[in-house]
Amino acid sequence: EPEVTQTPSHQVTQMGQEVILRCVPISNHLYFYWYRQILGQKVEFLVSFYNNEISEKSEIFDDQFSVERPDGSNFTLKIRSTKLEDSAMYFCASSEGYGGRTEAFFGQGTRLTVV
Amino acid sequence: AQTVTQSQPEMSVQEAETVTLSCTYDTSENNYYLFWYKQPPSRQMILVIRQEAYKQQNATENRFSVNFQKAAKSFSLKISDSQLGDTAMYFCAFMNLAGNTGKLIFGQGTTLQVKP
Repeated sequence: EPEVTQTPSHQVTQMGQEVILRCVPISNHLYFYWYRQILGQKVEFLVSFYNNEISEKSEIFDDQFSVERPDGSNFTLKIRSTKLEDSAMYFCASSEGYGGRTEAFFGQGTRLTVV
Repeated sequence: AQTVTQSQPEMSVQEAETVTLSCTYDTSENNYYLFWYKQPPSRQMILVIRQEAYKQQNATENRFSVNFQKAAKSFSLKISDSQLGDTAMYFCAFMNLAGNTGKLIFGQGTTLQVKP
């Protein structure tokens, strides 16, 4: 069964460093998302991406964050200068369409720890 | 802005029994979807069931069913014949179809423990 794959599963980085989280969405999907979940808290929307551009982003997704689909298969989330409060689980998701009729499939997540 | 509220942080149920998880939401939109996602200890989010707001009939998926009360903005999940594998965190989520972005708004989650 096709699945969304995220790498690495766990990333430890020093405060102020840049980090790139990688995702390989399901191959025929056109819509891509990043969510984050601070430990013990709810899952929060970061950004949605379609047709090589951001379609919506949340207040969390400030200038320190960027997304890219560099090669037609990967979908990356970059945090330019990490802060302690960026420590969280980051989930990538993809869907065939945007509507609720098409299911968003989630990856297994990348746990980011900023020290 | 839309919000989703799950008022039960933790619940437990005996294996084979039935449990209901609560969810309320707030929106002024008419065209939306509601979802329940399961997050087991492996952390991956898995879709359990979805409900289209314009459909009055409650969605069912095997042992999982919802009670969708649109006027009350309530969307509860009923798990029948609970199994040990149902132990997980359950998130209620809302998607507004206006804007066409596919953004999901999640509740705080309910941790469900199924006891043998």
